[in-house]
Amino acid sequence: TAGITQAPTSQILAAGRSMTLRCTQDMRHNAMYWYRQDLGLGLRLIHYSNTAGTTGKGEVPDGYSVSRANTDDFPLTLASAVPSQTSVYFCASSAEADNEQFFGPGTRLTVL
Amino acid sequence: KNEVEQSPQNLTAQEGEFITINCSYSVGISALHWLQQHPGGGIVSLFMLSSGKKKHGRLIATINIQEKHSSLHITASHPRDSAVYICAVSSHTGNQFYFGTGTSLTVIP
Repeated sequence: TAGITQAPTSQILAAGRSMTLRCTQDMRHNAMYWYRQDLGLGLRLIHYSNTAGTTGKGEVPDGYSVSRANTDDFPLTLASAVPSQTSVYFCASSAEADNEQFFGPGTRLTVL
Repeated sequence: KNEVEQSPQNLTAQEGEFITINCSYSVGISALHWLQQHPGGGIVSLFMLSSGKKKHGRLIATINIQEKHSSLHITASHPRDSAVYICAVSSHTGNQFYFGTGTSLTVIP
């Protein structure tokens, strides 16, 4: 079982370009989350989804959008990347909201 | 503002030592999570608790809801325990998570 996967592993992106980070889980978890991790700030929640078809904003949602068309996939889109979005992005899932979370391996994004 | 504070930020221990990492939070929570992040970057959930104490092998997590405080203990520490340990809390709604900045632990053989 793959668990939860993310793609790409890393990416360098020019400012102003758009980018979609992919996240897929095969555990049939209802809840999924996107976090960014920055040195000195820890993990911060960007967006979440408690079930397919619903999404919600986390602590730092500006500049990001998500969709949850089905249970397995939860893509994160940067419509017009800025250098402050340089970070490591983690996707996570849990069986239900506020259950134990399982994390993907992360995507390292650099915006120049 | 920091909803979750951890201490210490960095910790170096000799193999075999008993280790304690502390976490204090300022918001109402439904649960507290302890996570482990190894140098390669992967994050693993160690504990999720809302009261009392949990134990997995050499790891013990406790929480005091009244004092808004949790501790993670490692008994008989080993070099493979070297990692960053992160405390996180989920809000009463279960939809908002707040993370501490982590405690970097190095266990020396």
